[in-house]
Amino acid sequence: KQEVTQIPAALSVPEGENLVLNCSFTDSAIYNLQWFRQDPGKGLTSLLLIQSSQREQTSGRLNASLDKSSGRSTLYIAASQPGDSATYLCAVDYNAGNMLTFGGGTRLMVKP
Amino acid sequence: EAGVAQSPRYKIIEKRQSVAFWCNPISGHATLYWYQQILGQGPKLLIQFQNNGVVDDSQLPKDRFSAERLKGVDSTLKIQPAKLEDSAVYLCASSFIGASQFFGPGTRLTVL
Repeated sequence: KQEVTQIPAALSVPEGENLVLNCSFTDSAIYNLQWFRQDPGKGLTSLLLIQSSQREQTSGRLNASLDKSSGRSTLYIAASQPGDSATYLCAVDYNAGNMLTFGGGTRLMVKP
Repeated sequence: EAGVAQSPRYKIIEKRQSVAFWCNPISGHATLYWYQQILGQGPKLLIQFQNNGVVDDSQLPKDRFSAERLKGVDSTLKIQPAKLEDSAVYLCASSFIGASQFFGPGTRLTVL
């Protein structure tokens, strides 16, 4: 069974810290991996998409890496801000059909 | 550009009642997805349409859930009869074929 796991489930940090969110997947034969952000009462917003042939993607203060051999991806957030508080979800496309398998998410709280 | 629209935003029903959710995707997006997100979990794909055809509905509980996209644009998801465990947020997403998905705000269903 293809599963995606995110640890930790919740994280609280003071403003300004650099932090890493983790995502692991059971089958290394992935097509791509995405990181999403979800704010309470709202839908998901795509942050970064990494193709299986890539090792990392960057957007502003966000950097996502992919290590297929170990079945892991990390989302690095630099200089965290209270506005970064949200749930971060990792999703894997295993078969290029755009059918995503999501992890359970990490709920991030950045305290001023 | 208008986003994915969903209605209603909230619905409370008694168990064994019926309920329907509506989704209007972004104009031009051929692919439409319905997800179920139980509190504290990541979204789970229920069904994927391409135009008015079903691509995948392997995780749709077909004894009580049904979905249609008759004209290849709007879609409805129905639950009949509802069970307590159907309480969740139902998310609709749309995309160009093979491209990133855009999510609507979701419908929060509470089954009492």
